[in-house]
Amino acid sequence: SQKIEQNSEALNIQEGKTATLTCNYTNYSPAYLQWYRQDPGRGPVFLLLIRENEKEKRKERLKVTFDTTLKQSLFHITASQPADSATYLCAIRGDSNYQLIWGAGTKLIIKP
Amino acid sequence: GAGVSQTPSNKVTEKGKYVELRCDPISGHTALYWYRQSLGQGPEFLIYFQGTGAADDSGLPNDRFFAVRPEGSVSTLKIQRTERGDSAVYLCASSLTSGGALDTQYFGPGTRLTVL
Repeated sequence: SQKIEQNSEALNIQEGKTATLTCNYTNYSPAYLQWYRQDPGRGPVFLLLIRENEKEKRKERLKVTFDTTLKQSLFHITASQPADSATYLCAIRGDSNYQLIWGAGTKLIIKP
Repeated sequence: GAGVSQTPSNKVTEKGKYVELRCDPISGHTALYWYRQSLGQGPEFLIYFQGTGAADDSGLPNDRFFAVRPEGSVSTLKIQRTERGDSAVYLCASSLTSGGALDTQYFGPGTRLTVL
């Protein structure tokens, strides 16, 4: 079955630095991969979608890469701010066109 | 406009009881999803509605779980004979159209269910 792995340990980054989060997947070749942000007590919020034929996608201070050979996506936040502190989850489509399969998320802490 | 809302925000019940969780999607969204999220885990797909019909209920863990969306808007997730293992946050999401790949899912804040 499909499996998605994200760093389970919290990532502590100094304000202003670039935060990089990793998402690895196995047993699947997704046509696209999504990244979400989740704050405590809230549902996930969609950030970016990257397709298999796109190497890189940018949105303001966010950048996502997608390496289908390595089966890995990297999520970067440049010039990080304390407000970026949250849990970030990656997700891929499952066997059906409707199901999302999620990683467990990585908690990001930006220290002032 | 209003986002996805879910009620109640918290529900504490006793083992063996019946519970209903409600989801109000964004107005005009035809696709609706239910997920379950345990602490420290990502959401787990339960069921997907397109309009009034359940297009995919393969994620429902067993027959104690059932969901309806009778008028194609509000949905109710129903859990019979609750068990302690059902304790989790139940998330609802909606999307504008067919639930296809590029449709953004908008999530509600979730209902935290605790079964004692």
